Amino acid sequence: DTGVSQDPRHKITKRGQNVTFRCDPISEHNRLYWYRQTLGQGPEFLTYFQNEAQLEKSRLLSDRFSAERPKGSFSTLEIQRTEQGDSAMYLCASSLVGPLDNEQFFGPGTRLTVL
Amino acid sequence: LAKTTQPISMDSYEGQEVNITCSHNNIATNDYITWYQQFPSQGPRFIIQGYKTKVTNEVASLFIPADRKSSTLSLPRVSLSDTAVYYCLVVPPGSSASKIIFGSGTRLSIRP
Repeated sequence: DTGVSQDPRHKITKRGQNVTFRCDPISEHNRLYWYRQTLGQGPEFLTYFQNEAQLEKSRLLSDRFSAERPKGSFSTLEIQRTEQGDSAMYLCASSLVGPLDNEQFFGPGTRLTVL
Repeated sequence: LAKTTQPISMDSYEGQEVNITCSHNNIATNDYITWYQQFPSQGPRFIIQGYKTKVTNEVASLFIPADRKSSTLSLPRVSLSDTAVYYCLVVPPGSSASKIIFGSGTRLSIRP
């Protein structure tokens, strides 16, 4: 399978703990995106990378959130001191930069539950 | 940013053609219209994209009138497996990723 993969698929943690999620994009894709999705809503943009450079961050991304893409391949999203409001599905997507780069390929997501 | 408006939900039956309309009155010259499909517990999946007139692929057709202020996603002969949320996005290619706004989508339910 050469699609976008995410790990873990589910994470249950206690409030105040740190969590880290991993995303492996499609290998030739140079853009990687992180989204958050809550029940009944569409995905909300968090941040994106072009190669290893983090080009944009949403205001939704508080200072407790940090994302990296150290070698322009896989990416990690870390949430420090988790809060119950962080409970959501975290989606990763990748795409190629180009004239029609609106086609993003999404992974299955990591569902986070903060108790 | 071009804001989109689409019905919250729609119901149909197997074998019917389903048309989901999206309004985007403030669409800009460079904007493309893109539709995604999302099944429960999965990430969205790109369905189709167009700029004007009609685009067709193996999954759906996209109809865009001349003024481009709306678009219609057409799903021919739906089946139970087409039950999903459908998102209409209006985005210029190569734009800032923060301009990619999914909204709440249209929840399509297909009945036997």
